[in-house]
Amino acid sequence: EPEVTQTPSHQVTQMGQEVILRCVPISNHLYFYWYRQILGQKVEFLVSFYNNEISEKSEIFDDQFSVERPDGSNFTLKIRSTKLEDSAMYFCASRVAAGELFFGEGSRLTVL
Amino acid sequence: GENVEQHPSTLSVQEGDSAVIKCTYSDSASNYFPWYKQELGKRPQLIIDIRSNVGEKKDQRIAVTLNKTAKHFSLHITETQPEDSAVYFCAASMVSADGLTFGKGTHLIIQP
Repeated sequence: EPEVTQTPSHQVTQMGQEVILRCVPISNHLYFYWYRQILGQKVEFLVSFYNNEISEKSEIFDDQFSVERPDGSNFTLKIRSTKLEDSAMYFCASRVAAGELFFGEGSRLTVL
Repeated sequence: GENVEQHPSTLSVQEGDSAVIKCTYSDSASNYFPWYKQELGKRPQLIIDIRSNVGEKKDQRIAVTLNKTAKHFSLHITETQPEDSAVYFCAASMVSADGLTFGKGTHLIIQP
């Protein structure tokens, strides 16, 4: 069964450093998303991406965040200058237009 | 934007009994309501969803009901089993391709 894959599974970084989280969505999917989940809390929407541009973003997705689809398969989330409060599990997700949203296994980011 | 409230935050039921989790949403334009199950340390996985053109949907032991007038929807699990223990999240969006707004989650504990 096709899956959304994410790398790295866990990243530890120093505050102020740049981080790039990578995702490979399911190949025939058209909509791509990043969500985050702070430990023990709810899943929060960050950004959606369609047709090579951001279609929607939340208040959390400020100027420190950016997304890119550098080639036909990868979808990346960059955090330019990490803060302690960026520590969370980051989930990539994808779907066909009106179908089920499939989540990746997540990338755990720890900012020290 | 959309706001989703979910209750209860923790629910403990005896194995074999039924469990009901309730959510309300704020945006009357929302028309897609999925439920996700998240086991500890794992990704959220869709268990059932409902669209606003129906009032109820059932899949074996799981059912979801939707009341658009009152802007609330509920998850019903019958004949609960130990493997039902997890955190359950409701979510809502205006169209199925939008970013989902999640509730805070319900930790369901099935007592043997």
